[in-house]
Amino acid sequence: GENVEQHPSTLSVQEGDSAVIKCTYSDSASNYFPWYKQELGKRPQLIIDIRSNVGEKKDQRIAVTLNKTAKHFSLHITETQPEDSAVYFCAAGGSSGNTPLVFGKGTRLSVIA
Amino acid sequence: GAVVSQHPSRVICKSGTSVKIECRSLDFQATTMFWYRQFPKQSLMLMATSNEGSKATYEQGVEKDKFLINHASLTLSTLTVTSAHPEDSSFYICSARGEWMGPQHFGDGTRLSIL
Repeated sequence: GENVEQHPSTLSVQEGDSAVIKCTYSDSASNYFPWYKQELGKRPQLIIDIRSNVGEKKDQRIAVTLNKTAKHFSLHITETQPEDSAVYFCAAGGSSGNTPLVFGKGTRLSVIA
Repeated sequence: GAVVSQHPSRVICKSGTSVKIECRSLDFQATTMFWYRQFPKQSLMLMATSNEGSKATYEQGVEKDKFLINHASLTLSTLTVTSAHPEDSSFYICSARGEWMGPQHFGDGTRLSIL
């Protein structure tokens, strides 16, 4: 089955700096890679996703890159703000409709004002 | 956007009680729903995959007789924690997928506390 590794587990950055979170996956059949943001006690919210036929996707301050050969994908947040502080989860899966996403262990991002 | 409603949001009950949690897709038909459990400061652990009209597929180590899942319609899945004990206390969260290859949308979660 799929295995997703996520690093780092915690990340502190100064406001305005960039933050990068990296994930690797094991199943070459996975073709869908979403990123979720979870604030304390709340639901995970989809912030960006990428499919295997695309190498990079950007949405304002957030970007995701995918290297299928190396089975790596990364989340990039630029110009970080205090409200970006949360736990971020990467996930991989989607090889079929009833295949669940497998999540990484999460990264606790703290943006220091 | 796709909305998933989960109820109740908080349950506190005595040991031995059975607790039912509902997960509804409000504006789309969910062919597949997933149930996760999340311990404090940890990741989402998949418990089971629920397909409408068929038996749920449970992950290894999850007792199917303990965690009963019913997916009777394309918009509703329920998780019943039977004879709950303090070790069952956790944050349970459902998610639903509408499109075959689309994203999973999460409910607000249910915080279950067994005394």
